[in-house]
Amino acid sequence: AQKVTQAQTEISVVEKEDVTLDCVYETRDTTYYLFWYKQPPSGELVFLIRRNSFDEQNEISGRYSWNFQKSTSSFNFTITASQVVDSAVYFCALRALYNFNKFYFGSGTKLNVKP
Amino acid sequence: NAGVTQTPKFRVLKTGQSMTLLCAQDMNHEYMYWYRQDPGMGLRLIHYSVGEGTTAKGEVPDGYNVSRLKKQNFLLGLESAAPSQTSVYFCASSYSIPKETQYFGPGTRLLVL
Repeated sequence: AQKVTQAQTEISVVEKEDVTLDCVYETRDTTYYLFWYKQPPSGELVFLIRRNSFDEQNEISGRYSWNFQKSTSSFNFTITASQVVDSAVYFCALRALYNFNKFYFGSGTKLNVKP
Repeated sequence: NAGVTQTPKFRVLKTGQSMTLLCAQDMNHEYMYWYRQDPGMGLRLIHYSVGEGTTAKGEVPDGYNVSRLKKQNFLLGLESAAPSQTSVYFCASSYSIPKETQYFGPGTRLLVL
């Protein structure tokens, strides 16, 4: 079975704090893809990153970084020096190689960044 | 290049009424998807299509029908709306290979009274 768990329902931080959003997944597939999407208050879903299961290198993009650990089935997302514009709901998602027509989304983590 | 667009953006229906949501993409993507988003439940797949003229059921297909008569369009129909179908509906599209990202439309907010 495929499953994505985002245990943090809502997180509040003060601007400039670092924050990590957790994502734990379950899959029996050996090849799969992990994604993070951002949903700002305006409602659209914005793609942030894709990672395949063979690439465990961490990735950094500006203030965003992702830590993929296959051993713990986690794909965590860290925002450094958070800003008010980072306030949004963040979704982690899983797509398997052989069941690739389905995206399995976590329930999302709402991040509130206060000035 | 508009990406993925959805029509309408917001709609109010009475129980039992029918309506069609339109999704259009201009990226020449093979695959298209309809999701619904409910509070605390993430996104759930309703139906999807792997190409023109084909459709398949997703996780929560009951009460919905879809059609893909043209590659760029994917229609979601509600034949007899129910309050349980109050939700935000997202359309997405992607290329056919698994690693490819799904690109989402802006969403349609539907309220069924």
